[in-house]
Amino acid sequence: ETGVTQSPTHLIKTRGQQVTLRCSSQSGHNTVSWYQQALGQGPQFIFQYYREEENGRGNFPPRFSGLQFPNYSSELNVNALELDDSALYLCASSPAGRSNTGELFFGEGSRLTVL
Amino acid sequence: GENVEQHPSTLSVQEGDSAVIKCTYSDSASNYFPWYKQELGKRPQLIIDIRSNVGEKKDQRIAVTLNKTAKHFSLHITETQPEDSAVYFCAASSGDSSYKLIFGSGTRLLVRP
Repeated sequence: ETGVTQSPTHLIKTRGQQVTLRCSSQSGHNTVSWYQQALGQGPQFIFQYYREEENGRGNFPPRFSGLQFPNYSSELNVNALELDDSALYLCASSPAGRSNTGELFFGEGSRLTVL
Repeated sequence: GENVEQHPSTLSVQEGDSAVIKCTYSDSASNYFPWYKQELGKRPQLIIDIRSNVGEKKDQRIAVTLNKTAKHFSLHITETQPEDSAVYFCAASSGDSSYKLIFGSGTRLLVRP
């Protein structure tokens, strides 16, 4: 069974640039969530995708956007990067459907540094 | 708004002692409460979870208790070992969006050999 994989693992950007982070969900999982984890903090929910549609969103501005593909993989896009966007971005997949809670399986994350 | 508070932020115990981490949540509609362990530079990994229809759950040296009336839940680790050293996060499902988890700010546990 393949776990959740994310790429890239590390990247450095400058303010104003755009970034795309990628995630492959665990085999058999159809739901993908993205979380932002600032240094020394708990993960914060960005949004979730189910069947290629956004299924809910946390308190993040519209410059944070995403996609889910037919194979359930997902992308997180952040435009107009700000210094405070520096964080570990975690992707998590689950077998749950639209309204079920269940265990989240996290990837190793993409560490973004904005200079 | 939705909030999960976690205490203490750091905890140091002697190997073999017990460790207790406590969380409170604000949303009375929360019904799923997982605990994650995160080692330095690694992904959060689920160590135990509990649902609102159960008051206590145990898995070997780890146990979780839930008091829905008081909106408290706690993680108990007995016979701690150095490899238990990590950051532990509690979380609660969002009442209005059951797919969303609200995380606490974490507890850094150090088990001294």
